[in-house]
This record gives sequence, structure tokens and C-alpha cells, in this order.
Amino acid sequence: GAGVSQTPSNKVTEKGKYVELRCDPISGHTALYWYRQSLGQGPEFLIYFQGTGAADDSGLPNDRFFAVRPEGSVSTLKIQRTERGDSAVYLCASSTSGRASDTQYFGPGTRLTVL
Amino acid sequence: GENVEQHPSTLSVQEGDSAVIKCTYSDSASNYFPWYKQELGKGPQLIIDIRSNVGEKKDQRIAVTLNKTAKHFSLHITETQPEDSAVYFCAAKGSGGSNYKLTFGKGTLLTVNP
Repeated sequence: GAGVSQTPSNKVTEKGKYVELRCDPISGHTALYWYRQSLGQGPEFLIYFQGTGAADDSGLPNDRFFAVRPEGSVSTLKIQRTERGDSAVYLCASSTSGRASDTQYFGPGTRLTVL
Repeated sequence: GENVEQHPSTLSVQEGDSAVIKCTYSDSASNYFPWYKQELGKGPQLIIDIRSNVGEKKDQRIAVTLNKTAKHFSLHITETQPEDSAVYFCAAKGSGGSNYKLTFGKGTLLTVNP
């Protein structure tokens, strides 16, 4: 079946601009996660959704970052007033539920470059 | 919070040799440890995982061992092939209220030379 998809695959923007990154999870998965991966590092947790609600947004670096999942399926990560330090690969993952033993399946990521 | 250390950062082996990657974790309550393989330009793909109620798990050429007392776990790849070349990440899942959050190591770049 279809895996997690993310669009766009690449996004180049200028400092100060607003960007939106989209994630389509595996159909039926209620849990959705966003991670950020800087060059040469492992993914770092940003936010976790269970259904439509953000159950944990403790990983969001500051209030320029916001994410929504209005219908409990597709999610959008929004970054305001982008900074060069925001450049990274943004990964989305989904799982059947949020249980500890559930496998998280990752999408291919969106590579964000802030000039 | 959880902290995961991974070694080595790079590993080069000859085709057919074995490769071992080691990780340690800090939260003794963590109970789920997946390993992901990431190829260039792609997202991480789960290759094997282990839960804290077992000490070893094997899937064909890949095995993972877990030592809960020492808080470390290892990935073993036998009979390596060039297509095994990738970055490998270990991870640990938190405990209690954050048992959905994966904490990753920094990764190991594995190169298998033909």
C-alpha cells in the first residue's frame, strides 16, 4: 500500500518568508509525527498528533513553528519568518496509534533551504 | 529526557564481512529500540526492532541484541553486500507520558566495498 508522502520534496525560500510543508500519512494511522533532521544528525522530534489534536509539541523550537491536522489525516507544518538555521530535512512519520510498541513509518522528507 | 549515543560514526567493511554498530541509552525505562536504514535522499526505513522483554532478535542477515542492565543495544549485519551501504540510526522510545517519542543516535555511515 501507499506509504507516507510529503510535499514538496524540496523547498528553497528566502529569509523572512513563510513556508508550509505537507504530510500525507498512511491511511488509517491515527498517530502522526514531525521530526527535523540536520545534516549529519539523527532525526529530532518536533510534534506528535493523536487524531486532530497535538498531544505533544514540546519539540517545536519556538513560536515561529506551528503544525495542524484539522481532519485527523493530512498535516501541515508551518514556519513563519524563516531563518537560515531552519534549513534542514523535515520528516513526517505515522503509526497505527501512539502506543509505545508501534512502528513509526517515515516519509521521504522535505528538504528546506533558507537563503 | 532520553539520550542515545551511537558508535562508530563511520564504518567501512569488505563485502562478505560482518558489521557491528553499537548504541547506549540513558533512560532505564525505555522499552522499544528500533533500527532504521537511511539511503541518500530518502526517509529512514525500519529494518529491525527489539522490545525490552527479549535479549536478541534475528531476521536473515540482520540481528539486534539488547542488554538492559548495561543499557546498550547493537546491530549486527552478516555477509554484508554493497546494497547495505547507507546511514544506520538506532533509536529508543521514551517512557511514561512520552512513550511515543523516538530519540535517535547520530547515525553510522556504513560503506561496503565490493
